[in-house]
Amino acid sequence: KAGVTQTPRYLIKTRGQQVTLSCSPISGHRSVSWYQQTPGQGLQFLFEYFSETQRNKGNFPGRFSGRQFSNSRSEMNVSTLELGDSALYLCASHDANSGNTIYFGEGSWLTVV
Amino acid sequence: DQQVKQNSPSLSVQEGRISILNCDYTNSMFDYFLWYKKYPAEGPTFLISISSIKDKNEDGRFTVFLNKSAKHLSLHIVPSQPGDSAVYFCAASRNNAGNMLTFGGGTRLMVKP
Repeated sequence: KAGVTQTPRYLIKTRGQQVTLSCSPISGHRSVSWYQQTPGQGLQFLFEYFSETQRNKGNFPGRFSGRQFSNSRSEMNVSTLELGDSALYLCASHDANSGNTIYFGEGSWLTVV
Repeated sequence: DQQVKQNSPSLSVQEGRISILNCDYTNSMFDYFLWYKKYPAEGPTFLISISSIKDKNEDGRFTVFLNKSAKHLSLHIVPSQPGDSAVYFCAASRNNAGNMLTFGGGTRLMVKP
């Protein structure tokens, strides 16, 4: 079956703009989480959604938000982009019935100029 | 406070030899540990995991060892192959924290032919 799908793969935005990234989890997976990877901070947890509800949130400013739809697809939004938001944004999906393994998508590479 | 640490940023081994990647954690609430392999600008690929109720888990060439008293885990790759060259991340989670993973900083493994 298909893996975690993220769109777009690459994008360039200007400071002050906003961006929306999309994630389709593995079929049947109801939990979706988002991570940010930067050279300086490594891989950091942003937030997790389960059954359309945010279940956990990392230590990021309110400019970072997300949501999950009834089909488990998720979006994350970053408003008022800053140069430091340039990063690889990774989506991960999980199915509690399949154990504790979390599977990642290929990521969306955001560059803010 | 870095709760998961990989103290070796890089490791170089000869093809056919054993690769040992190490990871230390400080949070005694972590009860599930995972290793991921990652190439640049791609999502992490799940390798192997271990629950805190075990001290060893093996899958083909990959074995993970967990020493709870020392709060230390290691990933052994035997024999190492050039295709294993990548960045390896260890990650930890708590059963009551949904699917929030805390990652180490990664170790770059280079396997020389």
